[in-house]
Amino acid sequence: GQSLEQPSEVTAVEGAIVQINCTYQTSGFYGLSWYQQHDGGAPTFLSYNALDGLEETGRFSSFLSRSDSYGYLLLQELQMKDSASYFCAVRAGFNKFYFGSGTKLNVKP
Amino acid sequence: EAQVTQNPRYLITVTGKKLTVTCSQNMNHEYMSWYRQDPGLGLRQIYYSMNVEVTDKGDVPEGYKVSRKEKRNFPLILESPSPNQTSLYFCASSLLVPTGNQPQHFGDGTRLSIL
Repeated sequence: GQSLEQPSEVTAVEGAIVQINCTYQTSGFYGLSWYQQHDGGAPTFLSYNALDGLEETGRFSSFLSRSDSYGYLLLQELQMKDSASYFCAVRAGFNKFYFGSGTKLNVKP
Repeated sequence: EAQVTQNPRYLITVTGKKLTVTCSQNMNHEYMSWYRQDPGLGLRQIYYSMNVEVTDKGDVPEGYKVSRKEKRNFPLILESPSPNQTSLYFCASSLLVPTGNQPQHFGDGTRLSIL
């Protein structure tokens, strides 16, 4: 079967750096995406990695190691508005997507 | 404004009463998909469509039907809803990218309660 594992909850203080890990086991792999979802809201796309290495987009970076079936999302200079749930998602087939169960990030002042 | 619109946003209904959740996008996207979100389980793909009249099953299709008669619309149909289909449902759309980044745009969600 398909599985994506990520921590259920992470807490950090404003201004800090936090890393959210994702390990996956899927039949087929095209790339790893990250989505943010605020309470009661729609998921919004953050980043995508198809190849090994680090992708940076402003305060957010995402890393992938295909050989380890592992990736992470790095959030720097945390702000209160970053409090949300973060989902990793694998594009496992041409049109199939599998999401992790989500990591709830609590940012404290 | 580019958007994915779902209706209704909230619905409480009873077992066995057929219902349809509509989804419409104005971005001319080929790809559309339905997900359900349950606590602790993340988003699970129900059905997807690559274009008009092309649909296929996702991970959890049982109890659901879809249709894609027009590019912009992708309704989700529950012919005989049951309580285990109580969930938060999201419709998403994207351009169809064969193997690369295919960021999905999500609607605001439909919260269904089936009693």
